[in-house]
Amino acid sequence: DVKVTQSSRYLVKRTGEKVFLECVQDMDHENMFWYRQDPGLGLRLIYFSYDVKMKEKGDIPEGYSVSREKKERFSLILESASTNQTSMYLCASSLWGKMNTEAFFGQGTRLTVV
Amino acid sequence: QQPVQSPQAVILREGEDAVINCSSSKALYSVHWYRQKHGEAPVFLMILLKGGEQKGHDKISASFNEKKQQSSLYLTASQLSYSGTYFCGAFDRLIIQGAQKLVFGQGTRLTINP
Repeated sequence: DVKVTQSSRYLVKRTGEKVFLECVQDMDHENMFWYRQDPGLGLRLIYFSYDVKMKEKGDIPEGYSVSREKKERFSLILESASTNQTSMYLCASSLWGKMNTEAFFGQGTRLTVV
Repeated sequence: QQPVQSPQAVILREGEDAVINCSSSKALYSVHWYRQKHGEAPVFLMILLKGGEQKGHDKISASFNEKKQQSSLYLTASQLSYSGTYFCGAFDRLIIQGAQKLVFGQGTRLTINP
């Protein structure tokens, strides 16, 4: 059974803390994505990566960074968490190079910044 | 830039039909459809690749008009299990090399009542 696993389902952090959200996939996928999901705004792309150490900014990268040191792991970093980063964060992965490839999602991490 | 979905929400009685639309200001090279049930990860429904392509399984089908940069999802004789939020997604660039950017719309919440 293919899997994208996010390290935490729920997180509560304080304003100003450095926060790490971890995502691991076991499908040997090249593409990995981080989205943020807010009511009425859908899935907004924060960062994405197609290879180890390669990353590109999505549509809302401000306040976030990412790390991809291994193919199977893609980490989202909030350098200094703020209350407006309270949200549901979803990680996804897919094969590279095919337009007909589906994305697989993790269960999501609900982050609350207080 | 995110695709735009309409309507934002639909409430139906079991057995009724629904249409969800997805449009983009940028060229679409493929269109993905996903469904997310409350508290769960989005799950893949189908991908459409070519302009004019139509796909479907069971009573859920979709069309893709490449020239109009639009796709529509059709749910026929809806069942209670169809409830959830539907997202359209698209690769917003033709892949030659480098990263594949997968963007999603803001979602359409579908509620099916008995």
